[in-house]
Amino acid sequence: DTGVSQNPRHKITKRGQNVTFRCDPISEHNRLYWYRQTLGQGPEFLTYFQNEAQLEKSRLLSDRFSAERPKGSFSTLEIQRTEQGDSAMYLCASSPFREGLTDTQYFGPGTRLTVL
Amino acid sequence: AQTVTQSQPEMSVQEAETVTLSCTYDTSESDYYLFWYKQPPSRQMILVIRQEAYKQQNATENRFSVNFQKAAKSFSLKISDSQLGDAAMYFCAYTNAGKSTFGDGTTLTVKP
Repeated sequence: DTGVSQNPRHKITKRGQNVTFRCDPISEHNRLYWYRQTLGQGPEFLTYFQNEAQLEKSRLLSDRFSAERPKGSFSTLEIQRTEQGDSAMYLCASSPFREGLTDTQYFGPGTRLTVL
Repeated sequence: AQTVTQSQPEMSVQEAETVTLSCTYDTSESDYYLFWYKQPPSRQMILVIRQEAYKQQNATENRFSVNFQKAAKSFSLKISDSQLGDAAMYFCAYTNAGKSTFGDGTTLTVKP
């Protein structure tokens, strides 16, 4: 059973540049989530998709952040005009959501972003 | 807004002993899920145990068990027979309607 994969694992960029991260969920998982985690803190919810529909977006997600999940498979998270405060670990998770069943999320290894 | 509080930033336990990690949460919802995740240093988040709020019976997974007190909004994790491999950051998480809120974690050290 292949787990959630994320690419790249590490990204170093200069302030003002755009970056894009990719997440491939566990096969047949219909929900996909993005979180941001800074050192010493728990993950903060950013957004989630059910199939290709983006169902909720956190207020933390400024206009510089956008996420897509075309065809309900992999997802991309793009950050435009990066700022030093964007430096964090970006985590992706997926779940096999079904009504009436526990919505358990399985996490990928994360993409660590450093903005210089 | 839901909040999750883990009041113990750090805990330590002797190998083979038992330790309990605390978690409290705040919600006005009646139907939700609670989770404990483990995050070893520089490694990915791993599910430890889950609890459905509508179930009164406490969840158990091998050496891991929870004490779920719905009225008190408390969800503690007990690790029995602690092993060196249990050393990690442990996160408590609340999930409702697709959105999860995590605590800030408890770093568990296991002493040989």
